[in-house]
Amino acid sequence: QLQLQESGPGLVKRSETLSLTCTVSGVSISTPYYWSWIRQPPGKGLEYIGSIYYTGNTYYNPSLQSRVIMSVDTSKNQFSLKLSSVTAADTAVYYCARDGAGNYLFGFDFWGPGTMVSVSS
Amino acid sequence: QSVLTQPPSVSAAPGQKVTISCSGSTSNIGNNYVSWYQQLPGTAPKLLIYDNDKRPSGIPDRFSGSKSGTSATLGISGLLTGDEADYYCGTWDSSLSAGVFGTGTKVTVL
Repeated sequence: QLQLQESGPGLVKRSETLSLTCTVSGVSISTPYYWSWIRQPPGKGLEYIGSIYYTGNTYYNPSLQSRVIMSVDTSKNQFSLKLSSVTAADTAVYYCARDGAGNYLFGFDFWGPGTMVSVSS
Repeated sequence: QSVLTQPPSVSAAPGQKVTISCSGSTSNIGNNYVSWYQQLPGTAPKLLIYDNDKRPSGIPDRFSGSKSGTSATLGISGLLTGDEADYYCGTWDSSLSAGVFGTGTKVTVL
């Protein structure tokens, strides 16, 4: 059974870089799917951050694009998120997910449990 | 802010039906496929509908999806207390070359 698990610091200082890793188990990350990051600020809705293919092709939310870098490590079956110059507005639960349902983009069929990241001043 | 608009809340009695609308534009819903997610309190979202109207294995047929033009609709029939949750639509936006989620709708079972 496919499982995803986010990991990384729960507290990041303002202006520094948030770094998270998603470990995929139960299936190779080198399969024809996009692997994605989505976040949810406390009490608010879902926000798409970006997606990465195992070949390295990426899509990023334009509102975050200047600060986001996603990467994939096929040897460890992981993909990662780096978000630079964080502010309090980046405080959120961060989810990793597989975009694998159907034949088109945006069908997130497997999700990690999420990890809370707070930005401190 | 989200480019997909949903009503903040809907409610109905157990056993009744609710519908949740998701309004977008030609760059997103109008030319791409819509998915729907259920988020129970404190948990990760769960895929209910993909490709506008398809249900993943294990999702009961009480949940249905449809799309017309630049709007999509999620229907939940035979409401159960366990259906109380937040529901989000989502799709690809061809102009942004990125995914977008709806504003979210809270379903209350009276």
